[in-house]
Amino acid sequence: DAGITQSPRHKVTETGTPVTLRCHQTENHRYMYWYRQDPGHGLRLIHYSYGVKDTDKGEVSDGYSVSRSKTEDFLLTLESATSSQTSVYFCAIKSTGINYGYTFGSGTRLTVV
Amino acid sequence: AQKVTQAQTEISVVEKEDVTLDCVYETRDTTYYLFWYKQPPSGELVFLIRRNSFDEQNEISGRYSWNFQKSTSSFNFTITASQVVDSAVYFCALSEGGSQGGSEKLVFGKGTKLTVNP
Repeated sequence: DAGITQSPRHKVTETGTPVTLRCHQTENHRYMYWYRQDPGHGLRLIHYSYGVKDTDKGEVSDGYSVSRSKTEDFLLTLESATSSQTSVYFCAIKSTGINYGYTFGSGTRLTVV
Repeated sequence: AQKVTQAQTEISVVEKEDVTLDCVYETRDTTYYLFWYKQPPSGELVFLIRRNSFDEQNEISGRYSWNFQKSTSSFNFTITASQVVDSAVYFCALSEGGSQGGSEKLVFGKGTKLTVNP
C-alpha cells in the first residue's frame, strides 16, 4: 500500500458552493497530482505539486486552485462549484528512482447539483 | 508535447478469446516511460506495467503480454484466454524524462473499455 488516501470518497454539493478535496500521503513523496476522470476523456491533469508551496497548472485547471502547505497534504479547491465539475477526482503521488511510477488514491466522486 | 492515443473505445469479446488493446504515443524525448493501468468496475486504478524507452523487450506476465515497438511508437497490450474478471477500462499513459523527474506529468490515453462475456 502506497499510503495515499483521499477524502471525502463521495460528496454532493450545490452549484456555487466552495468544495475542498484532500489528498494525504504518508511516504514523503515530493510530487503530488490531481486528475479528473470523465467519460470519453480519460484522466486529465488539473494541478500538480513538486514540493511544499510549489504548484503548477495542468491542462484543465480553470475553476480549480490547490495548496500544499505540508509535504503530506495536497488540497484541491473548487471555489464555486459548477455542474461541469461533476466528476471523479483522483490524487496521485510519484515515486522516483528505482521504483519510478505513479500511485493513485481511491478517488473522490463529486456531484454538483 | 506528449500524447497518447487509444483508438479503441470499447471492445467486447467472449471468454477465452485473445484480445489486444492498442496504444500509440507521441513524444519528442528520447527518454520516457510508458505505463498500463487497469480500472475495474470498482473504480480504483491498478498499475500493470512500466516500460522505459531503452527497453524494447516484450514482457509476459501470466496471461498478459506487452509489445513495445519504438519504430511505430506503439505499446500494445494483449490478454490471452480472456476471463470475465478482465472486464475493465484499460489506460495507457506516458511520462517524459528519466526516473528522477523529467516531465512532471503523466499523460493518459482516453482508455479502452473491455467487456468479456461468459
